[in-house]
Amino acid sequence: GDSVTQMEGPVTLSEEAFLTINCTYTATGYPSLFWYVQYPGEGLQLLLKATKADDKGSNKGFEATYRKETTSFHLEKGSVQVSDSAVYFCALSAHTSGSRLTFGEGTQLTVNP
Amino acid sequence: GAVVSQHPSRVICKSGTSVKIECRSLDFQATTMFWYRQFPKQSLMLMATSNEGSKATYEQGVEKDKFLINHASLTLSTLTVTSAHPEDSSFYICSARGTSYEQYFGPGTRLTVT
Repeated sequence: GDSVTQMEGPVTLSEEAFLTINCTYTATGYPSLFWYVQYPGEGLQLLLKATKADDKGSNKGFEATYRKETTSFHLEKGSVQVSDSAVYFCALSAHTSGSRLTFGEGTQLTVNP
Repeated sequence: GAVVSQHPSRVICKSGTSVKIECRSLDFQATTMFWYRQFPKQSLMLMATSNEGSKATYEQGVEKDKFLINHASLTLSTLTVTSAHPEDSSFYICSARGTSYEQYFGPGTRLTVT
């Protein structure tokens, strides 16, 4: 079945550091890929998405590229801020499964001033 | 656009009582709504998928008689936790999907059963 694997957390960085959170997936066909962010006590917000191979999703300085050859969708940001502290979830949606989302385990990011 | 609300945001109830959580799509028609459960420091677990006007489809291991889902209109779905017990305490999140494949998430409901 479909699955998403994220790098284990928690991740702690200093402000302005470079961020990478790895995400790899297993799916039949060509899924759409997403990164969601969850702030404490809140629901999920869509951060960025990519719907086909080699697409790059970007938002608020975050980027991720859909790599079919390595089945990956790593999240990157060049300079993190304290306000980026949150839990980040990688997810996929396989259109063959009725567009249900399959989530990774989540990665807790803490950015210190 | 694409705003989803949940009510209440927090609820505390006594063991044995029932609790209803509402999920509303405020500015679009949601043909499909999803209900998730999230334990502390864990990922989201899909409980059920509901389509407007039809019975919900529950994931394996989720008791349909305990977690009653109703999707009576294109903007409202409800989750009722019946005869709640302390182990039902959790963070419940809904999402809604319209004509596109994208899901929009509500802010979540924190349920505490004492």
